[in-house]
Amino acid sequence: GAGVSQSPSNKVTEKGKDVELRCDPISGHTALYWYRQSLGQGLEFLIYFQGNSAPDKSGLPSDRFSAERTGGSVSTLTIQRTQQEDSAVYLCASSLAPAGLPRDTQYFGPGTRLTVL
Amino acid sequence: DQQVKQNSPSLSVQEGRISILNCDYTNSMFDYFLWYKKYPAEGPTFLISISSIKDKNEDGRFTVFLNKSAKHLSLHIVPSQPGDSAVYFCAASPKNYGGSQGNLIFGKGTKLSVKP
Repeated sequence: GAGVSQSPSNKVTEKGKDVELRCDPISGHTALYWYRQSLGQGLEFLIYFQGNSAPDKSGLPSDRFSAERTGGSVSTLTIQRTQQEDSAVYLCASSLAPAGLPRDTQYFGPGTRLTVL
Repeated sequence: DQQVKQNSPSLSVQEGRISILNCDYTNSMFDYFLWYKKYPAEGPTFLISISSIKDKNEDGRFTVFLNKSAKHLSLHIVPSQPGDSAVYFCAASPKNYGGSQGNLIFGKGTKLSVKP
């Protein structure tokens, strides 16, 4: 079956421009996560969607970052007025997350490499 | 402050020998730990996990050991194969999340090179 897909795979933008990154999770997965990996760093949690619950936005680094998930499926991460420090690989993951059952595996997409010039 | 630390950025081993990747954590609220493997230009893939109620979990050539008193876990790969060459990330999950792993805290990764 299809895994998590992300688009675009690469994005080069100029400082100050807005960008949108897209994530298509695995069909049927109720949980969706965004992470980013800056050069030489580990994955940094950004935001987490679980079903119809309010998202956990505790990892968003500034109010320039926002994300939405439409219809419980596709998610878009938006970065407004991009800065050079936003350059990173943005990774999306999804999981089944059935309520009340033991923890489930997060499946990652290939990521979007964002370069802000 | 890094809550999950992988102090070795790289490790090189000979094919057939054991690879040992180490990970330390600082937050006693972590109760579930995972290892992910990442090839270049791909997303991380889940490898193996362990709950804090256990001290060992084995899956084929991969074994994860957890020492809660030392807040240390390690991944053993025996025997190592060239295809195991990748970056390995240690991750931890806090116990306040329910069914899903929720917010995973990742280390910076260790690049493993297995030489034929």
